[in-house]
Amino acid sequence: GAGVSQSPRYKVAKRGQDVALRCDPISGHVSLFWYQQALGQGPEFLTYFQNEAQLDKSGLPSDRFFAERPEGSVSTLKIQRTQQEDSAVDLCASSHDRMQYFGPGTRLTVT
Amino acid sequence: DAKTTQPNSMESNEEEPVHLPCNHSTISGTDYIHWYRQLPSQGPEYVIHGLTSNVNNRMASLAIAEDRKSSTLILHRATLRDAAVYYCILSLSLDSNYQLIWGAGTKLIIKP
Repeated sequence: GAGVSQSPRYKVAKRGQDVALRCDPISGHVSLFWYQQALGQGPEFLTYFQNEAQLDKSGLPSDRFFAERPEGSVSTLKIQRTQQEDSAVDLCASSHDRMQYFGPGTRLTVT
Repeated sequence: DAKTTQPNSMESNEEEPVHLPCNHSTISGTDYIHWYRQLPSQGPEYVIHGLTSNVNNRMASLAIAEDRKSSTLILHRATLRDAAVYYCILSLSLDSNYQLIWGAGTKLIIKP
């Protein structure tokens, strides 16, 4: 069956540009997570949705980061006015029964 | 928040068993122990999880100490495809939601 997909896989943005990263979770998965992973580090939690409700956004690093999941399926992570420190891999995961299923990630490079 | 401690890296020979240790001395009674692995340029992949009892699945076994302050992931017969970073993680149980707190993991190197 289809796993979690993310698009684009790679994104290069000039500093100051806005970007939108898409996550398509596994059909029927209620829970969805966004993580950010710097090179050589483990993923860091950004935000969590249960259906369309954003229940935890404590990991979003600044008010330039915004996530939504309006119909409880596809989710978008938006980063406004990108900065060089935003360069990382952004990972999406959907979960079922305490197992998280990850997408391949979007590698964001801000120049 | 409960944290885990893992060796930075380990080496093993192909077709031999691998024991990956993890310490979690501040674990609470409701924390589950999870293991994920991440191959290069891929998202993490679920391996196994448990609460108190040892667990087996087709990928690996999880041995949990009686006091739950440590656990060991066992790959029974390592192959080159098992070369990855292995993360030992505790989940925080908050009502029906949970969040995984990741460390830096153990880089497993498999020698042919």
